[in-house]
Amino acid sequence: GAGVSQTPSNKVTEKGKYVELRCDPISGHTALYWYRQSLGQGPEFLIYFQGTGAADDSGLPNDRFFAVRPEGSVSTLKIQRTERGDSAVYLCASSATGEDTEAFFGQGTRLTVV
Amino acid sequence: QKEVEQNSGPLSVPEGAIASLNCTYSDRVSQSFFWYRQYSGKSPELIMSIYSNGDKEDGRFTAQLNKASQYVSLLIRDSQPSDSATYLCAVNGLRGSYIPTFGRGTSLIVHP
Repeated sequence: GAGVSQTPSNKVTEKGKYVELRCDPISGHTALYWYRQSLGQGPEFLIYFQGTGAADDSGLPNDRFFAVRPEGSVSTLKIQRTERGDSAVYLCASSATGEDTEAFFGQGTRLTVV
Repeated sequence: QKEVEQNSGPLSVPEGAIASLNCTYSDRVSQSFFWYRQYSGKSPELIMSIYSNGDKEDGRFTAQLNKASQYVSLLIRDSQPSDSATYLCAVNGLRGSYIPTFGRGTSLIVHP
């Protein structure tokens, strides 16, 4: 596609539920990043994929968070047993190679845990 | 010390003035530097990238990089009310990783 696409745009879920957030990167981009952004803060790194593999998952806050990219394109961020503190905007970005190349963001998914 | 530091602002400038946004970073070996603009409720939009010491100009925007001082800035000439947004500095190559690390952003307000 022309740009990074994230679905859904908004997600409201109850505390304790499971959610999946999807990211479709720019076609041909091998690097994919997930970030989380809270109000008044910059994007906070969660996980970086290079192709199908998670090259760096050091930003995932705990084991309730998991992400996959099985075919090296679309990625899914999965959050189990959601907590109110997980409420934030989840941003996905992709870049051509990941090596100093520019990263482009999708429109984000606003997750609200009630 | 945070890895990428920005003054949160707000920075308020009159229309037509030059807005100067600053960013410092902690790792001298960082390789590439980016400025993003983020309007309220929207996602970050890449506006400038810079890789070498010196200035890089693109329209009304100039990015300046000084690796010795670990400092990168963004100048916006002839500021317009439509430039009012949060400007995020991102640094790639911190700690040897290819993961853009962001500052908290500087809020810019351009008043008519």
